Amino acid sequence: EAQVTQNPRYLITVTGKKLTVTCSQNMNHEYMSWYRQDPGLGLRQIYYSMNVEVTDKGDVPEGYKVSRKEKRNFPLILESPSPNQTSLYFCASSLRGQGAQNEQFFGPGTRLTVL
Amino acid sequence: GDSVTQMEGPVTLSEEAFLTINCTYTATGYPSLFWYVQYPGEGLQLLLKATKADDKGSNKGFEATYRKETTSFHLEKGSVQVSDSAVYFCALSDRDNFNKFYFGSGTKLNVKP
Repeated sequence: EAQVTQNPRYLITVTGKKLTVTCSQNMNHEYMSWYRQDPGLGLRQIYYSMNVEVTDKGDVPEGYKVSRKEKRNFPLILESPSPNQTSLYFCASSLRGQGAQNEQFFGPGTRLTVL
Repeated sequence: GDSVTQMEGPVTLSEEAFLTINCTYTATGYPSLFWYVQYPGEGLQLLLKATKADDKGSNKGFEATYRKETTSFHLEKGSVQVSDSAVYFCALSDRDNFNKFYFGSGTKLNVKP
């Protein structure tokens, strides 16, 4: 089954404790992206990747890191999480070519709480 | 910068009513426009899209027309069903950088039997 998976689905952590949210897709997509969803703000793009070893900032990259060492994986790293990073996070992927122009397939989301 | 503005919800309708969810955008150039739907507890799914002015996107009885003159992409459906209850997001991808994506704040639709 074609899908985007995220782990963990739920995470409660404390300020300053480094964490990684994993994202994996099995559709051989070149484009992958991370978003955060907050009430009243919709989804905001954090980082995106056009291919292996090619990443760039979205609208709200501060406090986040990403890496793309393999085509299928695109982990989101919070080196020192803070309470304002409490949010619902979505990973998405799409076919090559024009990145987000193509249909994006979303993962189920990761709900992160930073105390 | 680019942005998307949607009507605030929630929108509550009776089954078989007509639906309109307004969406306007601000962008340089000519972006591509999308409607995504999010069912409770799930990720987003593409509902429809339009890539140039006057294009009409349609899917599952939903329609939206890319109006460059009014910078709008309103979502419509002639007869909603209870199963259409969800949150709807209008979005655009930047024409100068297809990899950047902007969402509206979302509109929750409740359809009552």
